[in-house]
Amino acid sequence: DSGVTQTPKHLITATGQRVTLRCSPRSGDLSVYWYQQSLDQGLQFLIQYYNGEERAKGNILERFSAQQFPDLHSELNLSSLELGDSALYFCASSPVVATYEQYFGPGTRLTVT
Amino acid sequence: AQKITQTQPGMFVQEKEAVTLDCTYDTSDQSYGLFWYKQPSSGEMIFLIYQGSYDEQNATEGRYSLNFQKARKSANLVISASQLGDSAMYFCAMREANSGGSNYKLTFGKGTLLTVNP
Repeated sequence: DSGVTQTPKHLITATGQRVTLRCSPRSGDLSVYWYQQSLDQGLQFLIQYYNGEERAKGNILERFSAQQFPDLHSELNLSSLELGDSALYFCASSPVVATYEQYFGPGTRLTVT
Repeated sequence: AQKITQTQPGMFVQEKEAVTLDCTYDTSDQSYGLFWYKQPSSGEMIFLIYQGSYDEQNATEGRYSLNFQKARKSANLVISASQLGDSAMYFCAMREANSGGSNYKLTFGKGTLLTVNP
């Protein structure tokens, strides 16, 4: 158990809908990262937050947005969902001064039908 | 340009034998880090081992070791004495330096599916 929690574990929704994925980092970790894992794109970095502020953006679609709250949990919002958004979404966290590893949560499997 | 290359989509190994999973990387940074993660069929990402670009010795963690050849830009994972539970997807990843000091995003390779045969 990495100490990172993600909810829900599974999510099935229809095209055009909006969903929110939630992540609670390990106690004390200020950085939160979101990754998307799909069959065709592999594992891709989406966005990073550090102590409430956006720090880096990767291949994140404009239909997607994220935020990190004062209690350090983070939410990834996906809107106008398309079939191609079906993927495993991971949240990871790292300590204040990230020396190396990122601790990954168990992931949320999103299926868009 | 692809920054992490894992050329072996699948590998097979007999139980109790050693296996090497290949990873090459591309960066112009002097300071970077290389990681290996394991993803079993259940889906979670498990951190295995880390090598910093300035580390002089190859990293080891139990049965895992990282064969780091900086000049060749390779960071191969060696698993000794394979076990059935080692069957999983293995990802090589790189963290590059960032001027902001707090951006440590990882770039992943496409992975190698390891199957350990009894």
